[in-house]
Amino acid sequence: GENVEQHPSTLSVQEGDSAVIKCTYSDSASNYFPWYKQELGKGPQLIIDIRSNVGEKKDQRIAVTLNKTAKHFSLHITETQPEDSAVYFCAASPRGSTLGRLYFGRGTQLTVWP
Amino acid sequence: DAGVIQSPRHEVTEMGQEVTLRCKPISGHDYLFWYRQTMMRGLELLIYFNNNVPIDDSGMPEDRFSAKMPNASFSTLKIQPSEPRDSAVYFCASSLATSRTVKTSYNEQFFGPGTRLTVL
Repeated sequence: GENVEQHPSTLSVQEGDSAVIKCTYSDSASNYFPWYKQELGKGPQLIIDIRSNVGEKKDQRIAVTLNKTAKHFSLHITETQPEDSAVYFCAASPRGSTLGRLYFGRGTQLTVWP
Repeated sequence: DAGVIQSPRHEVTEMGQEVTLRCKPISGHDYLFWYRQTMMRGLELLIYFNNNVPIDDSGMPEDRFSAKMPNASFSTLKIQPSEPRDSAVYFCASSLATSRTVKTSYNEQFFGPGTRLTVL
């Protein structure tokens, strides 16, 4: 099955700086790459996603890039704020018999210091 | 819609006891997922259902774990007997496949608030 690697596991930045989280995947058939944010005591929540026919997508301060040739994708957060502090998960979804399933990375604990 | 509902939110039990976790997916969703989250292993998929039918249960740790989905609006995850190593946060998530005619699916999963299970 698909294998998703995520780095770094922890990330600390100063408020206003940028944060980048990177993921790689193994299955070239994967075509959907969502990012989830998990705040303390809550379930993960989708913040942005990208499909394989798109190289980059932006939504206000967050952006995701995808390199299908290299099989990696990244989350970029600009002008970070303390409320961005959370655990972020990347995921990949392959086609075929595993319809509906997401494969998650191990997560990145982001801390934004005021 | 109220989102995915899980109960109980917290469960403390003693080793050997039966534990039942409950989930109500978002109305109209046709996929339901059970995950377990621990510091050591991250977010693990245990089992998922499509139209109430179990599709993949390869993540279920062992025979002590079982899951059912008797109808589209309810699912249970049961652990019998429970062990201290089962202590974790268990999440239920649901999604709606955007296409039923091709073998590709872009499916946002909506997670519930989780059940924090502690087995003493």
